[in-house]
Amino acid sequence: DAGVIQSPRHEVTEMGQEVTLRCKPISGHDYLFWYRQTMMRGLELLIYFNNNVPIDDSGMPEDRFSAKMPNASFSTLKIQPSEPRDSAVYFCASSLLRATTEAFFGQGTRLTVV
Amino acid sequence: GENVEQHPSTLSVQEGDSAVIKCTYSDSASNYFPWYKQELGKRPQLIIDIRSNVGEKKDQRIAVTLNKTAKHFSLHITETQPEDSAVYFCAASTLTGNQFYFGTGTSLTVIP
Repeated sequence: DAGVIQSPRHEVTEMGQEVTLRCKPISGHDYLFWYRQTMMRGLELLIYFNNNVPIDDSGMPEDRFSAKMPNASFSTLKIQPSEPRDSAVYFCASSLLRATTEAFFGQGTRLTVV
Repeated sequence: GENVEQHPSTLSVQEGDSAVIKCTYSDSASNYFPWYKQELGKRPQLIIDIRSNVGEKKDQRIAVTLNKTAKHFSLHITETQPEDSAVYFCAASTLTGNQFYFGTGTSLTVIP
């Protein structure tokens, strides 16, 4: 398995535009997590899924953020409209069982909103 | 929910010296404590973890200790090398919980 795959690696967009980040978890992993990393706030959990079902989205900062997991091998995080303060590195991670086993992170997407 | 605090936020040591990073947690039900290392521009990767039924775990130059009574756990790196320079994150989760709660990270610099 190639690990957790995220795309794109880098995204630069103008304020107000829609941004879609993509993630392919490790096959067989039941849990998928979306994190945002900034210097000020560190790693923040945005939302996580169990068996494709969103379980806790309390970390999603605003209604501008939405996430979907249409099947076990694909998830998206969408920001619409984007704002400069959304600039951060967004990580997707997956784990086999509950959060008592290793979480494997993707390479991250560095988002810059200008 | 769980609250994980991590100290120090930055740490510089001379090559060959030891480094210690400390974390505290608030939820007594937490029972899994992983440590992740993130090199500059790369993804966080698990380096060691410990479960609540164990007080200490070692893996070569890295060790983690856990004090459940005091609700704190620590990462110890001995004989530090320049390649140990990275940001280290602690985390906590519970058996019934479904998410990791991360500390704010410690930026470790090993000076050659």
